[in-house]
Order: sequence, then structure tokens, then C-alpha cells
Amino acid sequence: GDSVTQMEGPVTLSEEAFLTINCTYTATGYPSLFWYVQYPGEGLQLLLKATKADDKGSNKGFEATYRKETTSFHLEKGSVQVSDSAVYFCALSDRAGQFYFGTGTSLTVIP
Amino acid sequence: GAGVSQSPRYKVAKRGQDVALRCDPISGHVSLFWYQQALGQGPEFLTYFQNEAQLDKSGLPSDRFFAERPEGSVSTLKIQRTQQEDSAVYLCASSLQITGELFFGEGSRLTVL
Repeated sequence: GDSVTQMEGPVTLSEEAFLTINCTYTATGYPSLFWYVQYPGEGLQLLLKATKADDKGSNKGFEATYRKETTSFHLEKGSVQVSDSAVYFCALSDRAGQFYFGTGTSLTVIP
Repeated sequence: GAGVSQSPRYKVAKRGQDVALRCDPISGHVSLFWYQQALGQGPEFLTYFQNEAQLDKSGLPSDRFFAERPEGSVSTLKIQRTQQEDSAVYLCASSLQITGELFFGEGSRLTVL
């Protein structure tokens, strides 16, 4: 069945460091791909998405490119801030609208 | 309301008690999902509604779990005879269309003693 595998954490970075969180997927057909973020004490919220191969989703300085050839959707940010500290979830949505989530990667950014 | 609302935010139950968790989705959203999130894990699918129809309940872990959405809006997740392994955060999410973005509530944290 469809599934998502993402890099295990926790990840600790200094402010202004480069961030990569790896995500790969297994799916039949052509899923949509998402990154959701969960800030402390809050619900999950959409960070960015891509609906077809080679699409790049971007938001708040974060980017991820839908790579069909490597079945990947890695999250990147060039310069992280303390306020980016959160748990990040990679997810896919199949054509029936069913969502599958990764286990989450906790990021802590220290000043 | 402006977002997905869940209640109660926190629930402590004694083993064997029945609990009911409520989800009020964004007005007009067709799809409604329930997920279970254990500590340190990602959300695990429980069940899915499109309007009032429960289209998929394959993720419900046992027959003690029951969900309904009788009028296609508010949904209730009921857990009968709670067990310690039911302790988790229960997330509700809604979507305007079948394959659209999910909007999540803040979750209901259930602790079974």
C-alpha cells in the first residue's frame, strides 16, 4: 500500500543553518505530496504542497520538489530561525483522497 | 467557525469507561477524517466521511471504536470500554473536496488510567 518514510529526528541546528529533512514515498498512481508542520501546543497545519511531478512547493522560505524518478519530496530551507522549531510531517494523498503521514521529524533551532 | 474545533481538548478516563470526542469541521467542508496520533508518531488513519456517508472505517482498531456524522457536519468518535492502549491524541481534519488540503483541529488528548 501507499506509505511515506521520512528522516528520523530529532534534528538540532543553529540559527541560520541549512535544513534538509528527507522524505520518500511509495504509491500506486500519482499522489499529491505535502509537508505539514506542528508547532508546540498547536494542531497540524499545511506548510507546502505539490500535486504533480517536478512541481516545487514553497512557503515561509521552505521548499520541496516532487521528484518522481527518486520518489522523494525532501524539505529544505536555506537559513532556519528559532521560530521554525516544530515537528514536520511528510504526507501523501492518493486519488481517493486518503492521506498517509510519515512519523514526523522534530526540529529544534538554537540561537 | 473559522477552523476545525474539537472537544474536549483533554479527557482522562478510567479503564472501562466510554468516551465521546466531538469534531466540528469548517463549514461547507465535505470530507472529514479522524486520525489517532500516539506520542512521537505520525497521525494514523481511523475513518473517513464524505458528507454523512462513512466511506472508509478500515483504520478503526477494534469494534469498541465507532464514529458517526449524521447530518454531514459535526462528527463524534466514540470509544467504548476504554483501554490503556487507547491513550493518544485524536485528530479531526476536514477538507473542502475529496482530494484537497486537510485542515486539522488541535486534537483531543485522551488518557486512560
